[in-house]
Amino acid sequence: DAGITQSPRYKITETGRQVTLMCHQTWSHSYMFWYRQDLGHGLRLIYYSAAADITDKGEVPDGYVVSRSKTENFPLTLESATRSQTSVYFCASRVNTEAFFGQGTRLTVV
Amino acid sequence: QKEVEQDPGPLSVPEGAIVSLNCTYSNSAFQYFMWYRQYSRKGPELLMYTYSSGNKEDGRFTAQVDKSSKYISLFIRDSQPSDSATYLCVSTDSWGKLQFGAGTQVVVTP
Repeated sequence: DAGITQSPRYKITETGRQVTLMCHQTWSHSYMFWYRQDLGHGLRLIYYSAAADITDKGEVPDGYVVSRSKTENFPLTLESATRSQTSVYFCASRVNTEAFFGQGTRLTVV
Repeated sequence: QKEVEQDPGPLSVPEGAIVSLNCTYSNSAFQYFMWYRQYSRKGPELLMYTYSSGNKEDGRFTAQVDKSSKYISLFIRDSQPSDSATYLCVSTDSWGKLQFGAGTQVVVTP
């Protein structure tokens, strides 16, 4: 199916563990984004990528790492998970004025 | 201070009423203004977008932008229970990054 897919949909992990959230798009959109969504803060940009091998920090990048070796994939890694990283994470790709979002990954750090 | 400010609500209205949603923004460089709708446990979806000041109508939805006062509005006429969702006000700057408001939760009661 065409679209943007995130995996896993739900994840529980322990403090200090490394976690990778996957994002895959079936189009060839140049721009891709990772957001986290928390009550009271709305959607906050973690990292974005303008093309393969080009990434940049967003509003809240600390504790996260991204890579983009292929246009269609944009994984997000939490190097050492903390409880404050418990959130819903959304991946998006963008063409012109429209962004397309995945279904989200609900991450709980215990 | 966030670049896009939005009252989080919740806003509760009876079915058939007009829903009025508002945002303010601070960055004069913003060119495109969008409204996204997000249902519970889903990713946001583009509802409408406008460029520059003025009105845009799409069925029961009307988006307004007043760049002189940096004010963005969305009106939903003849509201339906299926309109119950969180509505996110979004603007873009010259980099193309999307700046989200916190979102307003709307509840339309039958």
